[in-house]
Amino acid sequence: EVQLLESGGGLVQPGGSLRLSCAASGFTFSSSAMSWVRQAPGKGLEWVSGVSGSDVNVDSTYYADSVKGRFTISRDNSMNTLYLQMNRLRAEDTAVYYCAKDMGRLDYWGQGTLVTVSS
Amino acid sequence: DIQMTQSPSTLSASVGDRVTITCRASQTISSWLAWYQQKPGKAPKLLIYKASTLESGVPSRFSGSGSGTEFTLTISSLQPDDFATYYCQQYTTYSYTFGQGTKLEIK
Repeated sequence: EVQLLESGGGLVQPGGSLRLSCAASGFTFSSSAMSWVRQAPGKGLEWVSGVSGSDVNVDSTYYADSVKGRFTISRDNSMNTLYLQMNRLRAEDTAVYYCAKDMGRLDYWGQGTLVTVSS
Repeated sequence: DIQMTQSPSTLSASVGDRVTITCRASQTISSWLAWYQQKPGKAPKLLIYKASTLESGVPSRFSGSGSGTEFTLTISSLQPDDFATYYCQQYTTYSYTFGQGTKLEIK
């Protein structure tokens, strides 16, 4: 059974940093592309970042314009874990952050972790 | 980025109704389109991919059609469990983009 479990969310001040983690199980993590998607309170879904699986291009990474230069996606295949390092956080980054297994379509999602950026 | 526009934003319907949601892309995306269902406080669930392929385990009352720039999601006979918000997503290229969502409400 595929499972994705996010952690690391919380309250952070504007300008601060946070690192999200997503522990994966039930599939071959190393060869799977992965993405982060967020959802601001009461709003729709926004794709944030993606990383390729190891059988394509090693750690090719992709970002939405809204986070480029501030967020960094990475993965540790030995730990079956996906990360999202978020720096220079803004109030508009407040959202539930989901990790998802990425086959173009996002076929499995975690339960999400809430990030609140506020002073 | 490719813009995705869903209509309507809200849809009121009754159990047993047939409903259709439309998604339009700002440029051609071939058939690289997925549909998701999301209930309050839950993660989205994949329903359909490649415009018309039903994800395993999804009831056959859900169907998708279209290619190029115009796509539809149809629910043939609404069940109580279907009242939720639905999103389309293009995945022809990064950045992936989603429609703004269609909230399906009970009439």
